[in-house]
Amino acid sequence: GQQLNQSPQSMFIQEGEDVSMNCTSSSIFNTWLWYKQDPGEGPVLLIALYKAGELTSNGRLTAQFGITRKDSFLNISASIPSDVGIYFCAGWDGGSNYKLTFGKGTLLTVNP
Amino acid sequence: NAGVMQNPRHLVRRRGQEARLRCSPMKGHSHVYWYRQLPEEGLKFMVYLQKENIIDESGMPKERFSAEFPKEGPSILRIQQVVRGDSAAYFCASSPRGGDTEAFFGQGTRLTVV
Repeated sequence: GQQLNQSPQSMFIQEGEDVSMNCTSSSIFNTWLWYKQDPGEGPVLLIALYKAGELTSNGRLTAQFGITRKDSFLNISASIPSDVGIYFCAGWDGGSNYKLTFGKGTLLTVNP
Repeated sequence: NAGVMQNPRHLVRRRGQEARLRCSPMKGHSHVYWYRQLPEEGLKFMVYLQKENIIDESGMPKERFSAEFPKEGPSILRIQQVVRGDSAAYFCASSPRGGDTEAFFGQGTRLTVV
C-alpha cells in the first residue's frame, strides 16, 4: 500500500507563533485530508483538498495540495493553546480498493 | 445531522472473551472503515465495508477478527477470544462514497483486555 511520511514528528512552539507541517507520498493521491486528534477523542476533519495546487483555509488553518500530487502542507497561524493535539494527514489510496491511509502524525505543543 | 456514533466508548474484557464494537455511520453514508490505534501511534487501517459487503479486509488479522455491515443496523467489529495485545482504541469512519471524499470519524471504542 501507499506510504505517507509526515513531518515533523513533534513541535514545541510559543503561543502566537505560526506552525507548518507537511506530508509526502511515494505515489500520487487524488485527495488529501487533514485531521486533528485530541487525547481520548476521535480524529476531527479539518480540511479536505481535491485538486493539485489547491489552497484551502479554515479559520487560522491553511492547507495546500502539492502540484506534484505527492505532497500536502498544513499551516496554522497565530497558534493558541487549544491548538495542542496530534495532526494527521491522510490520503485516499486510489487503487482498486479505496482505503484512507494516514501519516504517523505531528504532535503539537503550544506553550502559553 | 448526527455524526458517526460508536458504542460502547469503553469496553473491558477478560482474556478469552468476545468483544463487539458497534458503529453507526452518518446519515446517508454507506461506506464504513475500521481503524485501530495503539497509544502514541497512528491509525492503522483494518477493514472497509459497504452495505452487506466487505470490500477490503487487508488490514484485519485473519484469525479472531471479523466485521460486518448488515443491510439494517450498525456495522459490527467482532474480536473473539481477546488477548492483551488487542487492547487499543478502535475507530470507525464513514463516507458518502468510496474514496476521494470526506471521511468522518466516531469517538472510538477503547478496548481494555485484562
